[in-house]
Amino acid sequence: GEDVEQSLFLSVREGDSSVINCTYTDSSSTYLYWYKQEPGAGLQLLTYIFSNMDMKQDQRLTVLLNKKDKHLSLRIADTQTGDSAIYFCAEGRTGGSYIPTFGRGTSLIVHP
Amino acid sequence: KAGVTQTPRYLIKTRGQQVTLSCSPISGHRSVSWYQQTPGQGLQFLFEYFSETQRNKGNFPGRFSGRQFSNSRSEMNVSTLELGDSALYLCASNLEYRGSGGYTFGSGTRLTVV
Repeated sequence: GEDVEQSLFLSVREGDSSVINCTYTDSSSTYLYWYKQEPGAGLQLLTYIFSNMDMKQDQRLTVLLNKKDKHLSLRIADTQTGDSAIYFCAEGRTGGSYIPTFGRGTSLIVHP
Repeated sequence: KAGVTQTPRYLIKTRGQQVTLSCSPISGHRSVSWYQQTPGQGLQFLFEYFSETQRNKGNFPGRFSGRQFSNSRSEMNVSTLELGDSALYLCASNLEYRGSGGYTFGSGTRLTVV
């Protein structure tokens, strides 16, 4: 199976909160990242969390990490139509010969 | 500060031809990684360069190669193109090898093989 898994689609109403979930398998992961990709563009780093943290908040974004269950989530408060994009979860380690792994991405659709 | 620049943005090539894609990392970044993105396979790691040396290579055939120059700019080359090579090729840079701050991506080169 894949090392990083995400659901493919999420649809929310403008103004609601969005929660995008991700599970990973490598317990040695040091950092977990969230990237955003808008149509025709590359990936934009939104935020990241160290594996020794439980939560990180950055304006409308809240990242929660459950290391025991290897579960990561990204909550977007007050979701706007401009938040419509594909969101990728990724895990990585510093140093050594290690290939960072990305999930397949979750398409977030925000409708009025 | 300029971001990661990839050229060209779009390419159309014929089967059997070869292609070279270019990536200029953020000024001061020394690590450059390449990814292939397709609807079916998602993001697949190609290779990572640091200080002009390939540090890691993904599971791609030898037709895919790359290099990094002393100014950290990187190129990747695909020889004997196949239809299945059609994809968005993304370059990402990082300050250091496996830097903890995550990667900054360029907008990609969209390659279409006909």
